[in-house]
Amino acid sequence: DVKVTQSSRYLVKRTGEKVFLECVQDMDHENMFWYRQDPGLGLRLIYFSYDVKMKEKGDIPEGYSVSREKKERFSLILESASTNQTSMYLCASSKSGDAEAFFGQGTRLTVV
Amino acid sequence: GQNIDQPTEMTATEGAIVQINCTYQTSGFNGLFWYQQHAGEAPTFLSYNVLDGLEEKGRFSSFLSRSKGYSYLLLKELQMKDSASYLCAGGGTALIFGKGTTLSVSS
Repeated sequence: DVKVTQSSRYLVKRTGEKVFLECVQDMDHENMFWYRQDPGLGLRLIYFSYDVKMKEKGDIPEGYSVSREKKERFSLILESASTNQTSMYLCASSKSGDAEAFFGQGTRLTVV
Repeated sequence: GQNIDQPTEMTATEGAIVQINCTYQTSGFNGLFWYQQHAGEAPTFLSYNVLDGLEEKGRFSSFLSRSKGYSYLLLKELQMKDSASYLCAGGGTALIFGKGTTLSVSS
């Protein structure tokens, strides 16, 4: 089974803190993604990566950055957390040429 | 640009059939996906249509018309456990999702 693991299920951070959300997949997938999910807005793509050290902006990249130093790991970074970044963050991965995405369990981030 | 529309909410009763529609205006989609998401859980894959027509998988079927930018998910013999959000998504390298349809199944 494909497994996508996010480091934390719940996280509470203070405004202005630097926050790292980690995601690891064990199926050698080339593509990895970060989405956020908010009520009434659905899943929105923040960033994705199609290879190590490669990244592409999604629909809402402002306030976020990403890092992909190893194929299995994709990190989402909030440089200076703000309350409007309180959300559910979902990581996903897929094989190159196969758009089916497999999701992690999500990290519910609260910024206070 | 890319835009995916689906109804926000639907209700149905156990044993019934429900059809969830999805329309999209976009270019570069390689196919149309449907995901199921129970409250508090991650989305899980249900179906994928890359060609026009109907794909059947047990109680669930999905239809695609690329010329009309239209898809639907058909759920038969509804069960209480089918209460969930159903997400329509278009695929290129990255999936773009609609806002989801919350289906409530009552007895």
